[in-house]
Amino acid sequence: AQKITQTQPGMFVQEKEAVTLDCTYDTSDPSYGLFWYKQPSSGEMIFLIYQGSYDQQNATEGRYSLNFQKARKSANLVISASQLGDSAMYFCAMRVELGNFGNEKLTFGTGTRLTIIP
Amino acid sequence: EAQVTQNPRYLITVTGKKLTVTCSQNMNHEYMSWYRQDPGLGLRQIYYSMNVEVTDKGDVPEGYKVSRKEKRNFPLILESPSPNQTSLYFCASSLGASGRNTGELFFGEGSRLTVL
Repeated sequence: AQKITQTQPGMFVQEKEAVTLDCTYDTSDPSYGLFWYKQPSSGEMIFLIYQGSYDQQNATEGRYSLNFQKARKSANLVISASQLGDSAMYFCAMRVELGNFGNEKLTFGTGTRLTIIP
Repeated sequence: EAQVTQNPRYLITVTGKKLTVTCSQNMNHEYMSWYRQDPGLGLRQIYYSMNVEVTDKGDVPEGYKVSRKEKRNFPLILESPSPNQTSLYFCASSLGASGRNTGELFFGEGSRLTVL
């Protein structure tokens, strides 16, 4: 069974500081993908970053980077130089391919609510 | 513009009155899925579809039905809604298996359903 764990229900961070949002995962599949989504108060889901299990380097997208530690099964999101607009709910998620027919299983964590303080 | 469109965005209904939430994508994506979001539980997958006429249950399929007769559409059907199905629902799509793309899911804007 696949599982995503986000242990920080909420975080408060001073503006311009770096933020690390924790995510650990559990799967027995060797091939999987990990990603992060941002959900602002308006409700839409915004894709931030993706890491494949076979990717050698940590993914980066602008101010976002994914600290992928495969042996520890962690995929933490790092936001550098936080901004007020970063205040939102953040979800970590994992998708794995099931069987030989291309079926996929997608699992989300419970989310971390990040609040940036001016 | 590439998008996933859900309707209705907001709905208040009563127990037992059948309803359908439509979902349509214009990106020729193979994979489509439905999620419900509840406080403290994150997003949980209801059903997903790998292609036309291919659907499978997610983690919380009870009380829901889906169909995939066309590639672009993936409606969610609540045959007899109950109050515990009050939730925020998201439809999402992607190109296909994670091995062939970056894994990005494109989400609709969400449908807030209240069952009285």
